[in-house]
Amino acid sequence: DIQMTQSPSSLSASVGDSVTITCRASQNINTFLNWYRQQPGKAPKLLIYAASSLETGVPSRFRGRGFGTDFTLTINSLQPEDFATYYCQQGDSPPYTFGQGTRLEIK
Amino acid sequence: EVQLVESGGGVIHPGGSLRLSCSPSGVNVRSNYMTWVRQAPGKGLEWVSVIEPTGRAFYSDSVKGRFTISRDNSKNSLNLQMTSLRVEDTAVYYCARGPAAGRKFDYWGQGTLVIVSS
Repeated sequence: DIQMTQSPSSLSASVGDSVTITCRASQNINTFLNWYRQQPGKAPKLLIYAASSLETGVPSRFRGRGFGTDFTLTINSLQPEDFATYYCQQGDSPPYTFGQGTRLEIK
Repeated sequence: EVQLVESGGGVIHPGGSLRLSCSPSGVNVRSNYMTWVRQAPGKGLEWVSVIEPTGRAFYSDSVKGRFTISRDNSKNSLNLQMTSLRVEDTAVYYCARGPAAGRKFDYWGQGTLVIVSS
């Protein structure tokens, strides 16, 4: 099974800041990497798919990059609704494993 | 507008069985990959199972042999039959469409809570 490791597990920032979250796969997954944002009590929301493609309706302040085993999600100009938990997920092969999550908190 | 609605959650004793359903509008379960994902209280997301358009299914090691994913094409619904339930199966269970084009999981239900407790 492919293991997904996110870092950091938590970070704090202020509205307007930029942050970057990293996700590493235990083996090559090409660009089959998704990013989600989950707000408390809600279902995950797809932000980025295929490592760098912005899902329809998602603001352009979200940017995904990477290929192979190393991926990043950058959020520019943080908005209040961005303070949530972020997950990466590999879409290469089942089991379609998730990273353990990164909790983004307001500083 | 696409909407996925899960149902069937509740409180069940360890060793019991429960059947979850997902009724998507705007998504044909027969022609899409459909997935179950769960989230234990205060924990991260855990992928559980997928059923492909061909009917082939895959499971996480934690539920293999106990859970069965299926679909009812006539009702356009997705199901998850859960047996031999354990305390550690307590979670919110989400259905989602995916992997879709681009290997994404793009539509999600609101989740249904399963509590396994004596």
